[in-house]
Amino acid sequence: DVKVTQSSRYLVKRTGEKVFLECVQDMDHENMFWYRQDPGLGLRLIYFSYDVKMKEKGDIPEGYSVSREKKERFSLILESASTNQTSMYLCASNPGQVTFGELFFGEGSRLTVL
Amino acid sequence: EDQVTQSPEALRLQEGESSSLNCSYTVSGLRGLFWYRQDPGKGPEFLFTLYSAGEEKEKERLKATLTKKESFLHITAPKPEDSATYLCAVQGGDNTDKLIFGTGTRLQVFP
Repeated sequence: DVKVTQSSRYLVKRTGEKVFLECVQDMDHENMFWYRQDPGLGLRLIYFSYDVKMKEKGDIPEGYSVSREKKERFSLILESASTNQTSMYLCASNPGQVTFGELFFGEGSRLTVL
Repeated sequence: EDQVTQSPEALRLQEGESSSLNCSYTVSGLRGLFWYRQDPGKGPEFLFTLYSAGEEKEKERLKATLTKKESFLHITAPKPEDSATYLCAVQGGDNTDKLIFGTGTRLQVFP
């Protein structure tokens, strides 16, 4: 089974702190994604990556950056956390040979910014 | 603007009481419609892909159907373990690989 592992299930940070969210997948998938999920807004795409060292902006990239130094690892970085970044963050991957719609998600990282 | 709307927002069913969830969409050229199940505190789990009107997919008590404007997720004789939020997403034909997600239907099945 595909496993997408997010390093932290729950985080509490203070405004202005730098935050790293790590995601690792174990199935050699080409594509990786970061979404955030908020009540009433659904899942919104922050960034995605087709390959190592490649990144593409999603619908809400402002305030975020990403890093993909190795194929299996995709990191989301909040340079200076703000309270409006309190959310559930979901990492996903897919093989790249199928439609982008068939995603394998991690368990999520719930971030609270105080 | 591409859009996905799911209804109802919440649905309470008695065990064995069949029903349907709706996903209405407006996209310029549908490339795929996707259903996911999400349990509380977990990431979504992929269920089905539908590509063209008239297509149907089944898995256990779930059947997904697609028309040119909407998709239905039919749940036959549901059990309490079917309780979850069901998400719908579409991929449009505007040369983008991005998905547009609906806000989901929260299903509760009571014994």
